[in-house]
Amino acid sequence: AQKVTQAQTEISVVEKEDVTLDCVYETRDTTYYLFWYKQPPSGELVFLIRRNSFDEQNEISGRYSWNFQKSTSSFNFTITASQVVDSAVYFCALSETLQGAQKLVFGQGTRLTINP
Amino acid sequence: AAGVIQSPRHLIKEKRETATLKCYPIPRHDTVYWYQQGPGQDPQFLISFYEKMQSDKGSIPDRFSAQQFSDYHSELNMSSLELGDSALYFCASSNQGGTEAFFGQGTRLTVV
Repeated sequence: AQKVTQAQTEISVVEKEDVTLDCVYETRDTTYYLFWYKQPPSGELVFLIRRNSFDEQNEISGRYSWNFQKSTSSFNFTITASQVVDSAVYFCALSETLQGAQKLVFGQGTRLTINP
Repeated sequence: AAGVIQSPRHLIKEKRETATLKCYPIPRHDTVYWYQQGPGQDPQFLISFYEKMQSDKGSIPDRFSAQQFSDYHSELNMSSLELGDSALYFCASSNQGGTEAFFGQGTRLTVV
């Protein structure tokens, strides 16, 4: 069965600090996709990134960066120079490819609080 | 760009009542997914439809049913509501073969 584990339930840092959110996954599929979503207090799920299992290149987008390591089944997310607006719950998710469609299995989420 | 539209955004129902949530996918998307997110929980997959046929089923209670219509919109029908059904319900849509599902803003259901 597929599983996503976000061991950090809550993280609290002071503004401008760097913070890394951990994500470890389990799957028997050879082809899969990993995602990160942000859920601010307003409740919507904001897509941040998608990575397929064949692309282990790290990615940087502004203050955000992602480290995908297949060898350790991890897909960690780092926010550099954090800001108060980064405060949210962050979910890591894994797709179950089913006839080309995508069903997501989510981790438990990490509540990130950035204090001014 | 058009996004996934869910209605209503908020809904308050009493125990044992019924509720219908609606989802309008992105134009030309043929696949719809429903997720339930309880307070402090991660979203859990309920059910999905492709071309108006159920394509997969997750932890959806028997009191719930859903369908996808000819215009690809979907409705989630919930009967005999219980307090534990209070949650945020997300709909997502994708193309067949698409690698990403786009989420709507969710419907917050409160059962009192």
